[in-house]
Amino acid sequence: QVHVQQWGAGLLKPSETLSLTCTVYGGSFNDQYWSWIRQSPGKGLEWIGEVKNRGGPSYSPSLKSRVTISRDASWTQVVLQLKSVTAADTAVYYCAKLRGRSSWGQGTLVTVSS
Amino acid sequence: DTQVTQSPSSLSASVGDRVTITCQATQHISDYVNWYQQKPGKAPNLVVYDASNLEPGVPSRFSGSGSGKHFTLIISNLQPEDIATYYCQQYGSLPFSFGQGTKLELK
Repeated sequence: QVHVQQWGAGLLKPSETLSLTCTVYGGSFNDQYWSWIRQSPGKGLEWIGEVKNRGGPSYSPSLKSRVTISRDASWTQVVLQLKSVTAADTAVYYCAKLRGRSSWGQGTLVTVSS
Repeated sequence: DTQVTQSPSSLSASVGDRVTITCQATQHISDYVNWYQQKPGKAPNLVVYDASNLEPGVPSRFSGSGSGKHFTLIISNLQPEDIATYYCQQYGSLPFSFGQGTKLELK
């Protein structure tokens, strides 16, 4: 059974960098592909990007210029960084394995406000 | 990019009803579709994976079907605890995408 625990700063000012981390417990981390997803208040789910066990990550075209997703197999962690945030980036951010039987973190509310 | 169009966007039904939610993809994505249930303030909860496989622990009144471009989630014998928003998600091609959601309400 896979368990995902995520954390990171919940309040940012415009132009700052969002940084969130999730740790994966159980399962076979090295065989899994991990994504970040966000959900703006009252809105639907938006895929941000995915990091593979080998090869480069894949990103949403709309966020590609600002986002970096990386993984650390030693700590079974996945990290999301989003540069130059604005109020439009206010959302709940989720770390999840989306292929097949998916597993999701609990979500982290990130608010961008001056 | 593969888009998924989910319908209806909202649905009002009675306890005991059969509810059908559909997703249509713009490209063939085999059976690479998941269905989620989301309640307010909670993370999405997997209901069906790989288009037709029921996640263990999910009641058997839920079922998924489809392949290629057309996918369906059915809830037979609707129960009050099924009231939620439902999303489809395709992982057949990058970038991944979600349907717009179906908000299910009790009549």
